[in-house]
Amino acid sequence: DAGVTQSPTHLIKTRGQHVTLRCSPISGHKSVSWYQQVLGQGPQFIFQYYEKEERGRGNFPDRFSARQFPNYSSELNVNALLLGDSALYLCASSLVIVGRVRTEAFFGQGTRLTVV
Amino acid sequence: TQLLEQSPQFLSIQEGENLTVYCNSSSVFSSLQWYRQEPGEGPVLLVTVVTGGEVKKLKRLTFQFGDARKDSSLHITAAQPGDTGLYLCAGVPNTGKLIFGQGTTLQVKP
Repeated sequence: DAGVTQSPTHLIKTRGQHVTLRCSPISGHKSVSWYQQVLGQGPQFIFQYYEKEERGRGNFPDRFSARQFPNYSSELNVNALLLGDSALYLCASSLVIVGRVRTEAFFGQGTRLTVV
Repeated sequence: TQLLEQSPQFLSIQEGENLTVYCNSSSVFSSLQWYRQEPGEGPVLLVTVVTGGEVKKLKRLTFQFGDARKDSSLHITAAQPGDTGLYLCAGVPNTGKLIFGQGTTLQVKP
């Protein structure tokens, strides 16, 4: 079975540009979450989607947006990129919303975004 | 704001030594998870602890959830070079997200 797949794996963008990151969850999983991991830190929650609806948002500016498609895949969009947006962006797939007892999240390998 | 503090942040030991990583919070979590992450990869779930006082063993790894469900520890016995990596604890509140600690980077030297 395929795990969580993210694309692209690496990306270099210039300040002010826009970026779209993509995630395909494990087959049968209906929830996708996005996390930002800055070098040397733990992942920080950005968004969670379940059944195509936003179910949670972290403390990130409005430049960050996301959506989930009917096939449960998801996109994370970041506008007006800043140098501080350079990070590993992780997508996590789960059967239902994380927070339900014993719900496990499975992470993709991430997209390494570098803003120059 | 719910925070998880992990300690130590860095640990470099010789093969065969024992070690303990701590994860502490002032908040109560419904469960707590431990992940291991290697460079260039996403975190991989090791264990989920749910009940206060719960102890789970995974080969040479022992995980404990505090009685009050605010803290947890990971103990590794006879560490091997293959244990090298970033260890992350993550609290699971009822708000639909994982709250991660800042991680413990473990290096086990042969």
